[in-house]
Amino acid sequence: GQQVMQIPQYQHVQEGEDFTTYCNSSTTLSNIQWYKQRPGGHPVFLIQLVKSGEVKKQKRLTFQFGEAKKNSSLHITATQTTDVGTYFCAGPTGTASKLTFGTGTRLQVTL
Amino acid sequence: DTAVSQTPKYLVTQMGNDKSIKCEQNLGHDTMYWYKQDSKKFLKIMFSYNNKELIINETVPNRFSPKSPDKAHLNLHINSLELGDSAVYFCASSQGTGTGSAPLHFGNGTRLTVT
Repeated sequence: GQQVMQIPQYQHVQEGEDFTTYCNSSTTLSNIQWYKQRPGGHPVFLIQLVKSGEVKKQKRLTFQFGEAKKNSSLHITATQTTDVGTYFCAGPTGTASKLTFGTGTRLQVTL
Repeated sequence: DTAVSQTPKYLVTQMGNDKSIKCEQNLGHDTMYWYKQDSKKFLKIMFSYNNKELIINETVPNRFSPKSPDKAHLNLHINSLELGDSAVYFCASSQGTGTGSAPLHFGNGTRLTVT
């Protein structure tokens, strides 16, 4: 079936370092969404990308949607301890266009 | 006011029991969902309802039965609980018809532990 994979599964960085997570779908997506889940919390919507090649920024976070609309990335510049959590991409897949979540990337930031 | 609220937050029960989780949203959304998050943090959709009508029913054992009395509520009843049902269950809602184009708003989750 349709899959949405993310790499890496886990990354541990020192505060101030940059971080990137990559999202790859086996099928073309009409849109890609990104969510952040803090430890013990629930997924919280961050952003949605719709257009091929689209780039959006939210302060230190940069989101990109690939030209073929099958991949996406989230880059965090100068990480802070508040960035700790699991980052999920999600896109509609299948005939019912259900929102399928990626496998997630867990980010750990230490001082 | 909490936008998507689900109860209980924690549920510990023995194998074979029946339990229910309740969810309510006050966002005026038309579509509600149940997602299951396992110990590896994978988030998988179980069901979605649009205006009380079931639109997505993934490969979920028929021990799981969702019920939507109105578009603001979506409950999940689980019969004959098994150890493998232990997980965090998230309720969510979105605008639109649930075609994956609108962002989801999640509840705080219900951590179910089956012993």
